[in-house]
Amino acid sequence: AQTVTQSQPEMSVQEAETVTLSCTYDTSESNYYLFWYKQPPSRQMILVIRQEAYKQQNATENRFSVNFQKAAKSFSLKISDSQLGDTAMYFCAFMKPRGQGAQKLVFGQGTRLTINP
Amino acid sequence: DAGVTQSPTHLIKTRGQQVTLRCSPKSGHDTVSWYQQALGQGPQFIFQYYEEEERQRGNFPDRFSGHQFPNYSSELNVNALLLGDSALYLCASSRRDSLSSNYGYTFGSGTRLTVV
Repeated sequence: AQTVTQSQPEMSVQEAETVTLSCTYDTSESNYYLFWYKQPPSRQMILVIRQEAYKQQNATENRFSVNFQKAAKSFSLKISDSQLGDTAMYFCAFMKPRGQGAQKLVFGQGTRLTINP
Repeated sequence: DAGVTQSPTHLIKTRGQQVTLRCSPKSGHDTVSWYQQALGQGPQFIFQYYEEEERQRGNFPDRFSGHQFPNYSSELNVNALLLGDSALYLCASSRRDSLSSNYGYTFGSGTRLTVV
């Protein structure tokens, strides 16, 4: 079974700083998908960024980028020029590709990120 | 274009009672998954419905059951409620034939269930 571990329960940075959230995972699969989701107080899970394991290039979405180290099974999220609206819980998640049963997300425990003014 | 809609937003039930939570998927989506998120934890997969059938189930007892209707909406039923069932229940939808692109799921804002 796959597991996802986020070792930083809480993080806090000043507005405009850069912050990196860590995530490690365990799987025997060679192809899979990794995600970072943001959950603000509104409770809705919002997709931040995704990475396909067979792609070596790290995904980027505006101020958000990942450092994907497949051999180390590490998938960290970097937020540049952090903004007050980035304050939220962040979850790392793993998913098998289609064709290997129902596609379920396996989530980590989450990191509570606070951006201070 | 409506996103995923869940009802009710909050619910308080007594131990031993039964509860039904509802989910309307995003327009164009045909697959619905349910997740349980205990306070301070990451969501845990309960089950997924497609074509009105349960396709996969997580590590949850039979007290948790579901249904999907022809219009793709879904219900989550929990019988004989325990205090430990108190959690945020999230519904997520997707379009099955787009999963190969794997853009993840669209989530609702959840139903906060409190069992007293």
